[in-house]
Formats: sequence, C-alpha cells, structure tokens
Amino acid sequence: AQSVSQHNHHVILSEAASLELGCNYSYGGTVNLFWYVQYPGQHLQLLLKYFSGDPLVKGIKGFEAEFIKSKFSFNLRKPSVQWSDTAEYFCAGSNAGKSTFGDGTTLTVKP
Amino acid sequence: EAEVAQSPRYKITEKSQAVAFWCDPISGHATLYWYRQILGQGPELLVQFQDESVVDDSQLPKDRFSAERLKGVDSTLKIQPAELGDSAMYLCASSLVPPHNEQFFGPGTRLTVL
Repeated sequence: AQSVSQHNHHVILSEAASLELGCNYSYGGTVNLFWYVQYPGQHLQLLLKYFSGDPLVKGIKGFEAEFIKSKFSFNLRKPSVQWSDTAEYFCAGSNAGKSTFGDGTTLTVKP
Repeated sequence: EAEVAQSPRYKITEKSQAVAFWCDPISGHATLYWYRQILGQGPELLVQFQDESVVDDSQLPKDRFSAERLKGVDSTLKIQPAELGDSAMYLCASSLVPPHNEQFFGPGTRLTVL
C-alpha cells in the first residue's frame, strides 16, 4: 500500500536557522510528490511539487525540496527560516490520481 | 483568486443526529476530494469524484457516510447517524484532472459530536 511518512512531529527553530523536514514515501511505480503548508488560521496550500525532471524543485517563499529516488525521500529545505514560516507542513504523494498525506510536521520559529 | 468554498465552517451535533457538509470546488475542476483530518494527523481521503462519478471511496464508512456530486459541480457529504468518533475537520479539495493533481483546499468544516 502506498504511504508517506514524516519523521519530525514538531520542530522548533530560531529565526535564520536552516530547516530540513524529512519525508519518505512508499509507492510502486511513478509517484508525484508535494509539500503543502497550513499557516495558522489558513487553508492548506501548495508549497511545491515534483512530477519529473530536475529532482531539485523550488517553491514559494524560498522553500525547496529534493527528490532522491534511491532513498525514497523528498525532504523540504529552507536555508534561513523566518518567524512567518511558523506553520504545519504536510508531505503528500500521488499515484494514479490517488493521494496520500503524511501526518504533518509542526514548525515553530522563535523570533 | 478562485477558491474552494465549504459550509458550514463549524458544526456541533449530538450523536445519532444527521449532519451534512457542502463544498463548491473551483470552477472547471473536474476532480473533487473529501478528506477527514483528525487532530495531529494528516488528511485522510474519504471519497474522490471525477465529474459526477465516484472513483475512490475505499476509505468511506459506507454504513453511515454518503457523498454525492449530482451535476459534477458542487458536492455534499452526509453522516447519518453521527458518532463521537466522527469529530474531526472535514476538508474539501479540488483539482484539474489527475495525474497533475495539485489540490486546492477549502477552509474545512470543524465537526464536534457530543
């Protein structure tokens, strides 16, 4: 069965620190991968996505993620976080039109 | 900017009562999803529509949940009867036809069953 796992449930960082959130997937065949973000009081929204091609994808607000097929990973990174990045982050995978979400990572950035 | 609309935003009901949630997707989006999100977990797909047809309802508890999208536009999710364990956030999302299915989410309906 397809699955997505996120290892960190809660991450606390100071402003300007670097961020890496882990995401591993288990899929047979082709997989599309996504990172979604939910800021406090707002809807879930797309940060970035990977379908094919360059495994390093860039999203909004300075986020990027790298697809490493050999490690079944799609980790999210940002070199310098801001207080406004405080949010919940969800990794998701999609295959044959069916999506599976991880349980999310809550990021708290201290000013 | 086009958005997915959901109503109501909050619903409090007693167990054994019936509840219904409504979703209006972004215009032109053929695919519509209903998710349930329990606090501390990620969204869990309940049902997926392609136009008016159900393409995946494998995780929908069909003894009490039903969903329809009669004209292939807006959709209703119903629970009858509601149980305490149904308390959760119910999210609706829409997308263009898969596989490039970036999903656009609505604000959700927070259901509390007493």
